[in-house]
Amino acid sequence: DAGITQSPRYKITETGRQVTLMCHQTWSHSYMFWYRQDLGHGLRLIYYSAAADITDKGEVPDGYVVSRSKTENFPLTLESATRSQTSVYFCASSDPTGRNEQFFGPGTRLTVL
Amino acid sequence: AQKVTQAQTEISVVEKEDVTLDCVYETRDTTYYLFWYKQPPSGELVFLIRRNSFDEQNEISGRYSWNFQKSTSSFNFTITASQVVDSAVYFCALSEAWNTGNQFYFGTGTSLTVIP
Repeated sequence: DAGITQSPRYKITETGRQVTLMCHQTWSHSYMFWYRQDLGHGLRLIYYSAAADITDKGEVPDGYVVSRSKTENFPLTLESATRSQTSVYFCASSDPTGRNEQFFGPGTRLTVL
Repeated sequence: AQKVTQAQTEISVVEKEDVTLDCVYETRDTTYYLFWYKQPPSGELVFLIRRNSFDEQNEISGRYSWNFQKSTSSFNFTITASQVVDSAVYFCALSEAWNTGNQFYFGTGTSLTVIP
């Protein structure tokens, strides 16, 4: 089905472990984004990508790594997870030639013990 | 500085009451876009409306209406005759045209509870 998907939907891990959250979109949107949602902070941008092999930092990039070898995929890696990275992570995509709207995935709830 | 401010953290209303959710934004750009998203208890983000800075006409969609006022940098959202299904967190967001990253700046959200 067309759309934007995230996997896993739920993840529990331990401090210090590496975790990768996957994001896949079928619209061929050039822009993709990763946000984290925490109570009292709304959604904050972690990283974004304007195209394959082009990524840039957002507001809260520390502790995260991204890559984008293909237009449709935008994985987010926590190289050494910390408790402060417990959050809900949303991936989004947009077509900058369109209406500037961002389309969001269903989210991944990550718990770091 | 916060680019989007939603001063109301939580609002509770009784069903059928009208409720207005406030959104104040800050930008130096002359071309920008404003959005409202709804996040129901199930957690997904649902797009409600997009408005560009050149269109100050208010919009109504069923029980929902939006009041965009550039003079006060506000983009308020009103739900008329609220229903229990309106209970959700509502986010206002800003996107600036100059920003090649097409970034969104979100407010911290307003949690609306409609009491039956």
